[in-house]
Amino acid sequence: DAGVIQSPRHEVTEMGQEVTLRCKPISGHNSLFWYRQTMMRGLELLIYFNNNVPIDDSGMPEDRFSAKMPNASFSTLKIQPSEPRDSAVYFCASSDEIYSPLHFGNGTRLTVT
Amino acid sequence: DAKTTQPPSMDCAEGRAANLPCNHSTISGNEYVYWYRQIHSQGPQYIIHGLKNNETNEMASLIITEDRKSSTLILPHATLRDTAVYYCIVRSGDSYSGAGSYQLTFGKGTKLSVIP
Repeated sequence: DAGVIQSPRHEVTEMGQEVTLRCKPISGHNSLFWYRQTMMRGLELLIYFNNNVPIDDSGMPEDRFSAKMPNASFSTLKIQPSEPRDSAVYFCASSDEIYSPLHFGNGTRLTVT
Repeated sequence: DAKTTQPPSMDCAEGRAANLPCNHSTISGNEYVYWYRQIHSQGPQYIIHGLKNNETNEMASLIITEDRKSSTLILPHATLRDTAVYYCIVRSGDSYSGAGSYQLTFGKGTKLSVIP
C-alpha cells in the first residue's frame, strides 16, 4: 500500500502567484481531509470530503483557498493569490470511513516570498 | 480546544519502555482515545486507539484507566527512530456528538527523545 501521496513535497512561490497542491488518497478510502500546520497554530483542519463531496469547509481561512475532489483518487487544494502568511506545511489525510483512523501523507511545505 | 493534557517533553533510554501519559478527564462515553506521532518532516502517523479496553498492536500498547480519565501509551522497546512528538487525542466514535465530531484536534503533544 503506497499510502497517501502528496505533491509537490516543496513549493516556493512569490506572493500573488497561484499555488496548487495535490493529493492521492489511499485506494478505497472515501474520506479525505486537508490540514495545515504552522508553528503558531499547530495542525488545523481546513476541509473534509466524503465520497468526493465537500462536507465541511469551515476551516478554510478565506476565499483565496479552494479545494476540489473530482474523483475518488485525486484532490487539489488551490491558493489564489498566495500570500506570505500562507507559508506552512499542508497535509492530506484519508480514511476508509469518517470515524476511522486517518492516514496522513508527508505533506507539502509551502513557502510564499 | 484540545481535550487532553500531556507533558511537553520526556526522555527515554534506548531499549527501555517509553510510557507516555495523557489526561482526558472530560472524556464522554462515546469518545475514543487516539494516539498519533509525528517524526520530524513527516506527516502524523496513526499508532493506536481505544474506547475502554486496553489495546495492543505491533507498534504500541494503550492502557486506559477504568474511569477513562487518563491513559498511557507504551512503546515496549524504544529505539532512536521513536523520537517524535506524540499526540493524545480524544475523538467521537459516531455522529451523535454533533457536527464536526469526527475531527481530530491536535494539541501540542509530548516531545519524546530516545537517548542512546
